[in-house]
Amino acid sequence: GQQVQQSPASLVLQEGENAELQCNFSSTATRLQWFYQHPGGRLVSLFYNPSGTKHTGRLTSTTVTNERRGSLHISSSQTTDSGTYFCAIAYAQGLTFGLGTRVSVFP
Amino acid sequence: NAGVIQTPRHKVTGKGQEATLWCEPISGHSAVFWYRQTIVQGLEFLTYFRNQAPIDDSGMPKERFSAQMPNQSHSTLKIQSTQPQDSAVYLCASSFGGDERLFFGHGTKLSVL
Repeated sequence: GQQVQQSPASLVLQEGENAELQCNFSSTATRLQWFYQHPGGRLVSLFYNPSGTKHTGRLTSTTVTNERRGSLHISSSQTTDSGTYFCAIAYAQGLTFGLGTRVSVFP
Repeated sequence: NAGVIQTPRHKVTGKGQEATLWCEPISGHSAVFWYRQTIVQGLEFLTYFRNQAPIDDSGMPKERFSAQMPNQSHSTLKIQSTQPQDSAVYLCASSFGGDERLFFGHGTKLSVL
């Protein structure tokens, strides 16, 4: 089936550091989305980004469709950024999710 | 807009009992999805409705799981004869057009004892 691979699996940051999360997928089908989930919380949509670059606050999503990859950049990380970030790709059966990148930001 | 509403938030059942989970999508959204989340398997697609019609249920365990969407304002996921391996957080999501931005509910945490 379709695969979505995220890296790294986990990331530890000191507050203020930048980070880049990677997402690779097995098909040219994209409609890539990024989600954030705080432990025990709901999945929150961060970006719907089929291609190109989008910005929201300190977050930047970049999708390069023909290279089958996407990235999420976090700048000047804060402790409130801690949680798990999921990449998802839309295929015929809805979204297929990666296993996520767990981000821990310490003061 | 209260977002996607799922009830109950937590459900505990005994092995062999039935569990029914409810989802109210965002008003105006035509697509409704069900996912299951566990630590081991991550987020697994279960089934998908568009305009109340079932589009894809390829992720549903066929024997004991069923999903319906009787009207545009709610969907149900029913699990018959629950087993301990069914324990998970069941997530409902909706989107405006099915392949667009997805909005999730808080989920129902099902615990089968």
